[in-house]
Amino acid sequence: GQQLNQSPQSMFIQEGEDVSMNCTSSSIFNTWLWYKQDPGEGPVLLIALYKAGELTSNGRLTAQFGITRKDSFLNISASIPSDVGIYFCAGGSSSASKIIFGSGTRLSIRP
Amino acid sequence: NAGVMQNPRHLVRRRGQEARLRCSPMKGHSHVYWYRQLPEEGLKFMVYLQKENIIDESGMPKERFSAEFPKEGPSILRIQQVVRGDSAAYFCASSPRQENTGELFFGEGSRLTVL
Repeated sequence: GQQLNQSPQSMFIQEGEDVSMNCTSSSIFNTWLWYKQDPGEGPVLLIALYKAGELTSNGRLTAQFGITRKDSFLNISASIPSDVGIYFCAGGSSSASKIIFGSGTRLSIRP
Repeated sequence: NAGVMQNPRHLVRRRGQEARLRCSPMKGHSHVYWYRQLPEEGLKFMVYLQKENIIDESGMPKERFSAEFPKEGPSILRIQQVVRGDSAAYFCASSPRQENTGELFFGEGSRLTVL
């Protein structure tokens, strides 16, 4: 079945550093999305991408929908403590009604 | 302007008992998704429902699990004869749109512990 591979699984960074994470699949998706989950809460949508090649920003976050429609990346610039959490990529396709989630990238900030 | 409401937030059951998890979508949303999350893992799709219809249940275990979204009232995820492996966080999400945009609004989850 469809599967999303996220990397890295976890990251430890210094406050102020830029962060980059990505998501790949062997399947084509028509929609790529990035969500963030804080401890004990449900995921919250950060960015949604609908067109191959699309580059979208939301504050310090930037995400791109890969040209092949099989990958996406998320960048966070100048990280701050509240960026800590788990980041999930998700994909939707016209051939399936469900939204598939990756296994997540856990972001921690070194004191 | 309430978001997606899930209850109970925490539920403890003994093996063999039944668990019922409820989800009230955001006002005006008629599409509901259920996901399961094991500790330190991602979200696994279980089922997608619209009012009175199951659209996609390909992620639901064939036995003991069922879901409904009646015309009136919340969506219910029911797990019969629970086993320890059912212990997880169960998240509900709702969407207002007919198209599959992936823009989901999640509840805070129901955490099931099976003793």
